[in-house]
Order: sequence, then C-alpha cells, then structure tokens
Amino acid sequence: DQQVKQNSPSLSVQEGRISILNCDYTNSMFDYFLWYKKYPAEGPTFLISISSIKDKNEDGRFTVFLNKSAKHLSLHIVPSQPGDSAVYFCAASAESGGSNYKLTFGKGTLLTVNP
Amino acid sequence: GAGVSQTPSNKVTEKGKYVELRCDPISGHTALYWYRQSLGQGPEFLIYFQGTGAADDSGLPNDRFFAVRPEGSVSTLKIQRTERGDSAVYLCASSLDGGFRYTEAFFGQGTRLTVV
Repeated sequence: DQQVKQNSPSLSVQEGRISILNCDYTNSMFDYFLWYKKYPAEGPTFLISISSIKDKNEDGRFTVFLNKSAKHLSLHIVPSQPGDSAVYFCAASAESGGSNYKLTFGKGTLLTVNP
Repeated sequence: GAGVSQTPSNKVTEKGKYVELRCDPISGHTALYWYRQSLGQGPEFLIYFQGTGAADDSGLPNDRFFAVRPEGSVSTLKIQRTERGDSAVYLCASSLDGGFRYTEAFFGQGTRLTVV
C-alpha cells in the first residue's frame, strides 16, 4: 500500500504562473515532510521541509502547506521558472521510534514550466 | 569531491551474476543511506548506516542483498544472483548526522543497474 501518494504524474504551467504540486499521506505517524527536486541523471536534491507542528513553511519562491486533518500537503512555486522543470518528490518520515532516517517517497510529479 | 559519488553510473549484468555498487559519501558524514528507485516509483529505503554499523537494514528485499561500510566512509552494496526485478536506480545519500530531520542529506546521482 502506498503511504505517500502524488496523484498527478505530470503538471504543465506557464512561466511566471503558480505551480501547485499535491501530496497525500495515509500514515498518521508521519510528522516530518520533505520535498525533493530531481533532474534527469541526477540524484534528488532537498528543496523544502515542514514539521507537523507547523502548517506553512516558506523559502523564497517555494512554500509548503500542511493540512494534518486532511493528511495533505502541497508545494507552491511562485513565480514558476523554466529551470523549475523537474520531477518533484514528496517524502515523509516518522520521528517516533527514531526512524527519521527512513523516508517514504511518493512516485513523483513531473513539472514542466513553459517559457 | 564535494558531493556524494556513486560508481559505476551504469551497470549492465546478466541474470544470476554478482554485482557491487560503490558509494563515496561526503567527507565527515557519519550517516549513509541506500535507497532504490524502480521505474515509475519513488525511492524506497534499503539500509541506513551510522558510522560502520548498519543501524537499520529492514529495507533490504531479501538475503541476496548485503551492504558494508567497513571504515565508516565508503559503502558497498552487494547483490548476489541478480534477477531482472533488481533492475533499478540505486541511490546513496549521506548526512552529517543521522536522519533527514535535523541535517540535510545529499544524494548521489545513482547507479542504474540493468539485469538482462
């Protein structure tokens, strides 16, 4: 069973507009969430994270929102740039039991930002 | 180098053969992780090292898979009697300390393993 779901395999937006990538999770033990960006033939790179005690975290053009009751998080990119075109992975971990090293990833969403 | 280095970048092997995948973490990073990304999937946890010891190997799929980190730096993932289902990108990551929550982990570019 997939504990982290990214239901949109792909998303296409125009340069300058907002990109919204969604992620749902089922495991209520997850308390820390991360977004990674991956270019072809490269490893994932960390983008932004959020702890379950917060509902929003912002870093420049990137903002992550967490709705714990809905077990849903989203990544907003404003404004979107062509260089943002990549696969975005949502990942989650559980601090309980000390397993914060074990990330559960979604399948990823391919974002294409058109000039 | 400045980042996590994985060798080889690509490996094609015949079914039943033995393979070794190498990971050179960032110098000074005590924590090292192996993940596997199959086609169309997100990365899946395999094993976590803290120093020389495997703190959690619960993600290794079966006893054909084994990983070592004898000196607390370089790690080798070993796969015996490879099967076509082992074909995937094997990712290695390292961080200063254990866990993704308090320190940033850096991933290598991965080794693409193809079993034919």
